Amino acid sequence: DAKTTQPNSMESNEEEPVHLPCNHSTISGTDYIHWYRQLPSQGPEYVIHGLTSNVNNRMASLAIAEDRKSSTLILHRATLRDAAVYYCILRASSGNTGKLIFGQGTTLQVKP
Amino acid sequence: DTAVSQTPKYLVTQMGNDKSIKCEQNLGHDTMYWYKQDSKKFLKIMFSYNNKELIINETVPNRFSPKSPDKAHLNLHINSLELGDSAVYFCASGDDLRGSSGEQFFGPGTRLTVL
Repeated sequence: DAKTTQPNSMESNEEEPVHLPCNHSTISGTDYIHWYRQLPSQGPEYVIHGLTSNVNNRMASLAIAEDRKSSTLILHRATLRDAAVYYCILRASSGNTGKLIFGQGTTLQVKP
Repeated sequence: DTAVSQTPKYLVTQMGNDKSIKCEQNLGHDTMYWYKQDSKKFLKIMFSYNNKELIINETVPNRFSPKSPDKAHLNLHINSLELGDSAVYFCASGDDLRGSSGEQFFGPGTRLTVL
């Protein structure tokens, strides 16, 4: 399984945008990039996923580099509720068992 | 309505005991999972069932036995509990095994403490 690398921690101020980077230099052509987050004392929750094009949803945006070796999760206006561990995960498009392989993630701290 | 529910939320027990954790999903998904989060917050897949059949067993000790009576339920039974089994156990479900699909939905977790 291809590996991802994320910074251990990041800080942001409330109501400012946050850019969470992820490197995945060994990504294969059929791997999708998924992002999950885990709020304190809760189970992980899905944030967004994409393959090649940038993606937007109500929670965040996902910017994928042209060579797909890196991606960035963008929270447009961080709130205190966005303080969580953010995980960048690669999933194959086929022949996959569906399992998510979590790394250490990025712990995001949001300051008021 | 809770999408993925687990019981109990907390479980404190003695070493050597046998215990079960139950999981139910009301999303109509075909696939259910068990993940373990250890004291260092590292999350790891343990098992996965698709349509009641085991498809993943990530070298988990055979003291752990998952059981799926139907697609909506995946229970985890643990025999002869050890101190190292102390962790938070998360159940999850999803509707597709492919990476192109969307999300897995996670339960709230069961915090198991073995004394």
